[in-house]
Amino acid sequence: EAGVAQSPRYKIIEKRQSVAFWCNPISGHATLYWYQQILGQGPKLLIQFQNNGVVDDSQLPKDRFSAERLKGVDSTLKIQPAKLEDSAVYLCASSLEETQYFGPGTRLLVL
Amino acid sequence: AQSVTQLDSQVPVFEEAPVELRCNYSSSVSVYLFWYVQYPNQGLQLLLKYLSGSTLVKGINGFEAEFNKSQTSFHLRKPSVHISDTAEYFCAVTRMNRDDKIIFGKGTRLHILP
Repeated sequence: EAGVAQSPRYKIIEKRQSVAFWCNPISGHATLYWYQQILGQGPKLLIQFQNNGVVDDSQLPKDRFSAERLKGVDSTLKIQPAKLEDSAVYLCASSLEETQYFGPGTRLLVL
Repeated sequence: AQSVTQLDSQVPVFEEAPVELRCNYSSSVSVYLFWYVQYPNQGLQLLLKYLSGSTLVKGINGFEAEFNKSQTSFHLRKPSVHISDTAEYFCAVTRMNRDDKIIFGKGTRLHILP
């Protein structure tokens, strides 16, 4: 069974630029999550989708972050404009029931 | 709301020695508990989970954890560590409800000394 796919694996941008990350969940998993993991900390949930609807986006900085899952399968997370403090690993996960399965993450560096 | 406390940010241990990584949780409702491992530059991989039933849970790579409801703990143990166990370990909790969000601890970095 293929795991959660993410791209790109690494991205370096300058502050005020925009960036987008892509995630393809495990086939059949209805729930998709985006997390931000800052160095030395545990993952923090940014947004949770159930199929193509948003379940929880309470910790998503909506002035600069957006996410969509239009067809209920893959998803994109966008940051526009990026700030220095957005440097982190962005993890995508998917689940069928209670267990979440994570992708390899996208490591973002904002200069 | 749920919360997770990992009491040690770093744990050094000699190769082939036993190790215990501590995790305590707080919740007013029944929960599911998880341990994830993160190797350098990789995503999180599920080690084991407690959903119900036996309080001693066995996972991959020789790890096990014991759910203790009275002490609200879910400590992770391995009887003999290997250099390949060097990684960050995260304890996590979610309410006993499908697709509810998971709350992660801050992680414990396991250093294996030769």
